[in-house]
Formats: sequence, C-alpha cells, structure tokens
Amino acid sequence: QQQVKQSPQSLIVQKGGISIINCAYENTAFDYFPWYQQFPGKGPALLIAIRPDVSEKKEGRFTISFNKSAKQFSLHIMDSQPGDSATYFCAASIDGSSNTGKLIFGQGTTLQVKP
Amino acid sequence: EAGVVQSPRYKIIEKKQPVAFWCNPISGHNTLYWYLQNLGQGPELLIRYENEEAVDDSQLPKDRFSAERLKGVDSTLKIQPAELGDSAVYLCASRRGDGGELFFGEGSRLTVL
Repeated sequence: QQQVKQSPQSLIVQKGGISIINCAYENTAFDYFPWYQQFPGKGPALLIAIRPDVSEKKEGRFTISFNKSAKQFSLHIMDSQPGDSATYFCAASIDGSSNTGKLIFGQGTTLQVKP
Repeated sequence: EAGVVQSPRYKIIEKKQPVAFWCNPISGHNTLYWYLQNLGQGPELLIRYENEEAVDDSQLPKDRFSAERLKGVDSTLKIQPAELGDSAVYLCASRRGDGGELFFGEGSRLTVL
C-alpha cells in the first residue's frame, strides 16, 4: 500500500513532442505528489508538485494532472527539448500535520528527447 | 547559498571493509535524510533526522549500518562491514523544519568488489 507505480520505464520523444509519464498509488492518505528530475551523476531535483485539492498544476512546459478518484497522477512535458533528457521520478508522501517529508518514490522513467 | 554537500563522491572498497559517507545539509535545515538509490531505481529512505534525533530509522539495516548527526548539523552514514549488495548511490537530503522543498545532494556512489 506504500508503493507508487510509475510507467513507462523508458520513453523516447521527438523534439517538440509531448512526453507523458504516469504514476499510480494505493494509499489514500498521501497528500503531496512531487515530480523529481535527475541527470546522470546528480541528485534528484524538484520539478513540480501538487496536492490533492487541485486537479492540475502548470509551471512553464511542465503540467501535473491529478485524478484523486483513480489514484493516479501524471507529468506532461510540452514542447519537449533535448535538454529535458533525464530520469523522472514521481513520489508521494503523507505530510499533513506531521510534515515528515518521507517520500515514497516510483521506479523512474528515463526520457530521451531526440533532436 | 551552497546546496547539500556530500563526500566522497565515489568510493570503491573490498567487501567486508568499512566505509563512511559525510553530509553537510543546507544551512538552517533542521531535517536531514539519508536515501539509498540502487541502479535504475527510485531513492528509498534509510533514516530521517529532526535536528540531532533519529525520528525514523525503520528502514536502516542496523546490523551493519549506522548513522549519526552530532550537533544537529553534519551527518555521517557508516557501513561496516560492506557487502556486495551495498553497491549503490547514497543520497543525503535536507529541508527546513517547517516543511518545504526537499533538496538532495549529488550522492556518494559506492562500489563494493
């Protein structure tokens, strides 16, 4: 019940295309859903995050869509660029009043954007 | 402002040898985490500190792993003795005590031969 399942494992997109990565969770107590971007040899860096009181959040070319009833959320990268080539992780945590920040990560998606 | 600093970045050791990793969190960040990242996997929490107190170490294999955060700032993660399966990247992260974004260091890559 603590798992976060992410798909696809790898993704190849042409420059200018849309990249879509999906995640599903079981624990309805999760209340914070971030996406992290990781380049080789670097640590994960926060890209965008959403809480379950909204269904969509957009920051530049990056959008999170959240479906509370289906317990799914996805990352959309519009106008994908070669510089977006990286590994993307979805995550979930139970923040609430305890605010622990204990993140449960998905398995990761390796994105390659071809020029 | 400096980010989360980890050292060493790379370490190669023989199995059964000890190894230690050091982390300096972002100044003012009370909460510190150690995560384990196996190749091709997402990070998994090993231990979380609130100041100098380990408040969540349920995932830390205590027979060979230990951690400390003296004075509530820097932290050290130790493995003794190391096993082949310990080869992975050990990530340190920190955040403010009142929440906010989790910042990761670049990690320490361990190879056990």
